[in-house]
Amino acid sequence: AQSVTQLDSQVPVFEEAPVELRCNYSSSVSVYLFWYVQYPNQGLQLLLKYLSGSTLVESINGFEAEFNKSQTSFHLRKPSVHISDTAEYFCALTPRGTYKYIFGTGTRLKVLA
Amino acid sequence: EAQVTQNPRYLITVTGKKLTVTCSQNMNHEYMSWYRQDPGLGLRQIYYSMNVEVTDKGDVPEGYKVSRKEKRNFPLILESPSPNQTSLYFCASSPVILLAGVDEQFFGPGTRLTVL
Repeated sequence: AQSVTQLDSQVPVFEEAPVELRCNYSSSVSVYLFWYVQYPNQGLQLLLKYLSGSTLVESINGFEAEFNKSQTSFHLRKPSVHISDTAEYFCALTPRGTYKYIFGTGTRLKVLA
Repeated sequence: EAQVTQNPRYLITVTGKKLTVTCSQNMNHEYMSWYRQDPGLGLRQIYYSMNVEVTDKGDVPEGYKVSRKEKRNFPLILESPSPNQTSLYFCASSPVILLAGVDEQFFGPGTRLTVL
């Protein structure tokens, strides 16, 4: 069975500081990996994804994530956060060749002024 | 505008009273899915559909039914709701990567259901 682990339920960080949100996964088959963001009282929206190719993927608003197959990780990073980055972030995977979608439990990022 | 819509957005009901939450997408996506979001548990997949008339169970299907008679619609049915189905429900749609799986999902705004 596949699973996604986000060990940090909450991460407080000061504005303009760097942040890393951790995501580890378990799967016996290859996977596609995703990060979604959920702002208060909204649905989820895609932040970035890894399907194949370069293991470092970037979003348009400065986030990046690196697929590490040996460590089964897909950590999300941003070198300098803004107040507007305050949200809940979900890591997700779908095993290749299947149609299931599995989410982690989420990490609440709170950016402090 | 490309979107996924859900109705109703808020619903309070009583135990045992059948209800349907509708979901519709206008992006011609093959894949549609229902999730429930509960504090500390993240999103858990209830059912998904790979195309018209093709559905399968996710991780928490008990107490729910779905149907996919048209490509754009994927209603979620609770035939006899119970208080443990009080949750925030999301519908999502996605293009399918041919023979390989599911791409990014586009989410609806959510339906907050309370079962008394």
